[in-house]
Amino acid sequence: DTGVSQDPRHKITKRGQNVTFRCDPISEHNRLYWYRQTLGQGPEFLTYFQNEAQLEKSRLLSDRFSAERPKGSFSTLEIQRTEQGDSAMYLCASSLAPPAHNEQFFGPGTRLTVL
Amino acid sequence: GQNIDQPTEMTATEGAIVQINCTYQTSGFNGLFWYQQHAGEAPTFLSYNVLDGLEEKGRFSSFLSRSKGYSYLLLKELQMKDSASYLCAVRDRLAGNTGKLIFGQGTTLQVKP
Repeated sequence: DTGVSQDPRHKITKRGQNVTFRCDPISEHNRLYWYRQTLGQGPEFLTYFQNEAQLEKSRLLSDRFSAERPKGSFSTLEIQRTEQGDSAMYLCASSLAPPAHNEQFFGPGTRLTVL
Repeated sequence: GQNIDQPTEMTATEGAIVQINCTYQTSGFNGLFWYQQHAGEAPTFLSYNVLDGLEEKGRFSSFLSRSKGYSYLLLKELQMKDSASYLCAVRDRLAGNTGKLIFGQGTTLQVKP
């Protein structure tokens, strides 16, 4: 399978715990995006990497959230001191750089439930 | 501000044609995308419009009018498997060349026999 993969697919945690999610993009894609999606809503942009550089972060991304892409390949998204409002589907997407960047390929997502 | 509007729900009959509308007001514009998302699954790419007009791809077509801030997705010969959420998204050009997508809330389409 050469698509975008995410791990874990589901995560249940207690409020106040830290969680970390992983995304493996399509290998030749140098752009990687994180989005968050709550029930009945479209995905909301969180942050974006070009290779290993994190070039943009949404105001939605509080100080409790941190993302890395250390070698320009896989990426991790960590949430510290989770809150119930963090419960959502976290989607990762990857794409080529311009001009061939018209399609973002999404992974299956990690569904986070904070109790 | 950024605003993308699409109907919340639509119902159509198998074999029929359905049109899902999307209007947008964004600070920048560098293309409009339609994605399909089945419940519990990742969004999958359907179409991309950056110039005015109609793009056709099999049973699916997408139209764009940049002056009106308007797009629609047309699904022909509806099949039961087309029951899904359809997401309209605009690529924002304001933030340099980020390529980030701004999504609408999605339209849940139910296809009935």
